[in-house]
Amino acid sequence: RKEVEQDPGPFNVPEGATVAFNCTYSNSASQSFFWYRQDCRKEPKLLMSVYSSGNEDGRFTAQLNRASQYISLLIRDSKLSDSATYLCVVNPLQGAQKLVFGQGTRLTINP
Amino acid sequence: NAGVTQTPKFRILKIGQSMTLQCAQDMNHNYMYWYRQDPGMGLKLIYYSVGAGITDKGEVPNGYNVSRSTTEDFPLRLELAAPSQTSVYFCAGSDRNTGELFFGEGSRLTVL
Repeated sequence: RKEVEQDPGPFNVPEGATVAFNCTYSNSASQSFFWYRQDCRKEPKLLMSVYSSGNEDGRFTAQLNRASQYISLLIRDSKLSDSATYLCVVNPLQGAQKLVFGQGTRLTINP
Repeated sequence: NAGVTQTPKFRILKIGQSMTLQCAQDMNHNYMYWYRQDPGMGLKLIYYSVGAGITDKGEVPNGYNVSRSTTEDFPLRLELAAPSQTSVYFCAGSDRNTGELFFGEGSRLTVL
């Protein structure tokens, strides 16, 4: 089993739709979790950290389910500019900062 | 404030050649990383460093070497280039408090 697994997609959704991705991780002791966004042929950039209580940033909501070992990302009222690859990132060890990346979920928002 | 700077952005190598990918950061990050990303895949950790003089292997270190003589610089060396090393290479620094990774723009390497 991979340490971090994501559905690679692609997800094609119409503008204005709500879309959700899940990401599962294998190490139950994992300490911190992130969603990164990567545009085509660009470097990844932090979208949001994922906290135990869940967190929201505008149209984006991230949640953590430790019991089932997955994190989720919800995008509401999707925009054309949301088209990108979304990378799930997990830090399996506290303080070590050896982050493990999922392969990414490709999202295309259609007009 | 340039952030994380990688050079070169593009390079074509012949099998067996060697080269160094340069990475410099001015964000005072102690932690630095080298990742490779193959098409349609996530990032895989090659090497990382938690401070000057300290380096350690990541998931896919074979065929690469690194050094960290200063906090700012973290070069990646390929000694005998192979076609399997064709990839996009990203250098990153990490904010110790938040864990956020700051990436360079990437170096696209092709080995023929």
